[in-house]
Amino acid sequence: EADIYQTPRYLVIGTGKKITLECSQTMGHDKMYWYQQDPGMELHLIHYSYGVNSTEKGDLSSESTVSRIRTEHFPLTLESARPSHTSQYLCASSEVTGGREKLFFGSGTQLSVL
Amino acid sequence: QKEVEQNSGPLSVPEGAIASLNCTYSDRGSQSFFWYRQYSGKSPELIMSIYSNGDKEDGRFTAQLNKASQYVSLLIRDSQPSDSATYLCAVRASGGSYIPTFGRGTSLIVHP
Repeated sequence: EADIYQTPRYLVIGTGKKITLECSQTMGHDKMYWYQQDPGMELHLIHYSYGVNSTEKGDLSSESTVSRIRTEHFPLTLESARPSHTSQYLCASSEVTGGREKLFFGSGTQLSVL
Repeated sequence: QKEVEQNSGPLSVPEGAIASLNCTYSDRGSQSFFWYRQYSGKSPELIMSIYSNGDKEDGRFTAQLNKASQYVSLLIRDSQPSDSATYLCAVRASGGSYIPTFGRGTSLIVHP
């Protein structure tokens, strides 16, 4: 059973605010991901990490930052929220066994920027 | 051209029928293929993975892979209303970052 947690579950915030979406996993996974998903659309990769002190940009990374100071924690920060950031944000970690990878997703954060 | 293509549906099948979900991908060197199920308002969960050509069966689910045609499918036998969800196809790149790329998903509705 996967243990990956995201907080908050829902967030409504005004334009221009700085926000941090939290993601933690207790499985000791090295690889972690942030995806953005709009209804009926693909998951778009925002950032990913191979492990502590490793962060890489995905397709939609330009307006957000991440950090990976501890294995279990991978927060996502929006410096200045805009209505275009309204979306579902999904955090995932992956387990690699025998060279094969399985992703585990958190419950997601539904963000609304007014 | 999108890297992973799926028909968004909805695909509607009667209870007990076989549901067939299809996915094509553009990266010919891709090696790993996944099917995730996502219920409305929930996060995706992995239901099948396949790595070599042919069929892989797990209970009522069968994944089929044809690398020459760059095509992967998911068959659900004896479909149940509880199978109603969006099914996401994901393909892991052959090189570089090895990050999974997701299609937009196919909505499946199983009606009693």
